[in-house]
Amino acid sequence: AQKVTQAQTEISVVEKEDVTLDCVYETRDTTYYLFWYKQPPSGELVFLIRRNSFDEQNEISGRYSWNFQKSTSSFNFTITASQVVDSAVYFCALNPTIQGAQKLVFGQGTRLTINP
Amino acid sequence: DSGVTQTPKHLITATGQRVTLRCSPRSGDLSVYWYQQSLDQGLQFLIQYYNGEERAKGNILERFSAQQFPDLHSELNLSSLELGDSALYFCASSVSRGGQLKDTQYFGPGTRLTVL
Repeated sequence: AQKVTQAQTEISVVEKEDVTLDCVYETRDTTYYLFWYKQPPSGELVFLIRRNSFDEQNEISGRYSWNFQKSTSSFNFTITASQVVDSAVYFCALNPTIQGAQKLVFGQGTRLTINP
Repeated sequence: DSGVTQTPKHLITATGQRVTLRCSPRSGDLSVYWYQQSLDQGLQFLIQYYNGEERAKGNILERFSAQQFPDLHSELNLSSLELGDSALYFCASSVSRGGQLKDTQYFGPGTRLTVL
């Protein structure tokens, strides 16, 4: 079965702190893709990153970085020097191998609150 | 702005009624996906259409149906509405030529359905 677990339901930090959002996934597929999406208070889902199962290089984009470890089935997301605008619900998602179909399996989300 | 449009933004209706949600994909995208976001179920995949044909089905109720038209816009029809159908309904689109796993799904702003 395909499953994504985001064990942290809510995180609250003070501005400028670093924060890491955990994501653990389950799949028997050898080829799959992982995603992070952000849902700000306005409600839309904003794409942040896509990573395939064969690329374990960490990725950094400004204050955002992602750590993919296939050995532990984890794809964690770190925000460095957090800002109030980072406050949102963050979702990790898995796109498993289903011929011709793409159905994202989402975690339950982590609500991140950055306090000034 | 993802380029995916959804109408209406909000919809309030009564139990037993039928509603239609509309989605226009990003220019050039062939696949359209529908997801439901509710407090108890989280983000759940409902159905995917690719170039007018149904490609994948998730936990979509029999009371719900969808279609994708020749101009690639899609409609999600919800009938015999129940209180539990109240949720945020997202449409997403991707290029998805040949069902590429790597294709990123870009989400619209969602339609918030309230059933009274």
